Amino acid sequence: ELKVEQNPLFLSMQEGKNYTIYCNYSTTSDRLYWYRQDPGKSLESLFVLLSNGAVKQEGRLMASLDTKARLSTLHITAAVHDLSATYFCAVDIFPSTGGFKTIFGAGTRLFVKA
Amino acid sequence: DAGVTQSPTHLIKTRGQHVTLRCSPISGHKSVSWYQQVLGQGPQFIFQYYEKEERGRGNFPDRFSARQFPNYSSELNVNALLLGDSALYLCASSLFLASSSYNEQFFGPGTRLTVL
Repeated sequence: ELKVEQNPLFLSMQEGKNYTIYCNYSTTSDRLYWYRQDPGKSLESLFVLLSNGAVKQEGRLMASLDTKARLSTLHITAAVHDLSATYFCAVDIFPSTGGFKTIFGAGTRLFVKA
Repeated sequence: DAGVTQSPTHLIKTRGQHVTLRCSPISGHKSVSWYQQVLGQGPQFIFQYYEKEERGRGNFPDRFSARQFPNYSSELNVNALLLGDSALYLCASSLFLASSSYNEQFFGPGTRLTVL
């Protein structure tokens, strides 16, 4: 069964600093997602990465995918308080029934201090 | 266009009761997936339905069941509720089923279930 591991699980950082969240997964997949979740809210899609070497950027966040290493990173540049949230990576697997399952990591709880 | 809608938003039940949660996908979307998110954890896949057929099932007991209707809306049923079933239940819809082509999932706001 696919495992998706994120680290760190908790991150407290100062505004203006840079940091990277890592997502490792245990089986072949070429579909990786990053989501943001604010407390008590649903999931907001941030990035979809569909191929090896894919890199996407939105504002202060940049995500990349290395399918050979089974690793994705979410890099935060010059963090601001508004980025405080929980960030999940997720990977699709495809059972023989023809559907798909999306397997989530445990999440990284990010707190940006002013 | 309305996004994915779920009802109710909050629900309180006692152990042993039964609960039905409802989801309406985005118009035109034929695939619905259900997830359970226990506080402090990532969402766990429960079911995927496409064209009224179950196409994926996670590691949940038989107390959990679901169905999809001709209009593509879906219900998640949980029997004999346990305290551990307390969670946020998320529904997500997507256009297609096919694994060979990408189709993005859109998540609803969730139903917060509390079992006392």
